[in-house]
Amino acid sequence: GAGVSQTPSNKVTEKGKYVELRCDPISGHTALYWYRQSLGQGPEFLIYFQGTGAADDSGLPNDRFFAVRPEGSVSTLKIQRTERGDSAVYLCASSLAGNGGGEQFFGPGTRLTVL
Amino acid sequence: KNEVEQSPQNLTAQEGEFITINCSYSVGISALHWLQQHPGGGIVSLFMLSSGKKKHGRLIATINIQEKHSSLHITASHPRDSAVYICAARRGTSGSRLTFGEGTQLTVNP
Repeated sequence: GAGVSQTPSNKVTEKGKYVELRCDPISGHTALYWYRQSLGQGPEFLIYFQGTGAADDSGLPNDRFFAVRPEGSVSTLKIQRTERGDSAVYLCASSLAGNGGGEQFFGPGTRLTVL
Repeated sequence: KNEVEQSPQNLTAQEGEFITINCSYSVGISALHWLQQHPGGGIVSLFMLSSGKKKHGRLIATINIQEKHSSLHITASHPRDSAVYICAARRGTSGSRLTFGEGTQLTVNP
């Protein structure tokens, strides 16, 4: 079956612009995670969805970042007024377990470059 | 001090060598994950363990809960094992956010 997919694979934008990054989790996975990975570092947690609701958004760096998952499947990470420091690979992962536990399956990531 | 620390940061080995990558964590966890990341960013989950030892092919992962330490071993290493290996701690039984180490860049030379 299909794995986690993310679109676009690459996004180049200018400082101050708005971007949306999309994640399609594995069908049936109720848990969905967004992470951000800067060059040379390990990923860092942004937000976790259980179904349609954000169960933990404590990793979002500021109010320019927002994510939704309206139907409990596809999720969109939205970044307003992008800054150069937002440049990173944004990773999405999904997990089958209802309580958010279990193995996480990662997508290929979206490389965001803010000029 | 990071909650999850890995060593070494970089490791170069010759094909066939036995490799060990270490991970220490300072928080209570419900599970520890070992992940592999190849150039281009794709991350693959290798192991998820909460106690003892797991083996898959040439890969072995161990964890010592009391010492808050885990190791990933690769036997008979091969150039295709070259990648970044990341350990990540899962805290608690719900929420399951992962806290990642910074990764170990492994290069296996033929």
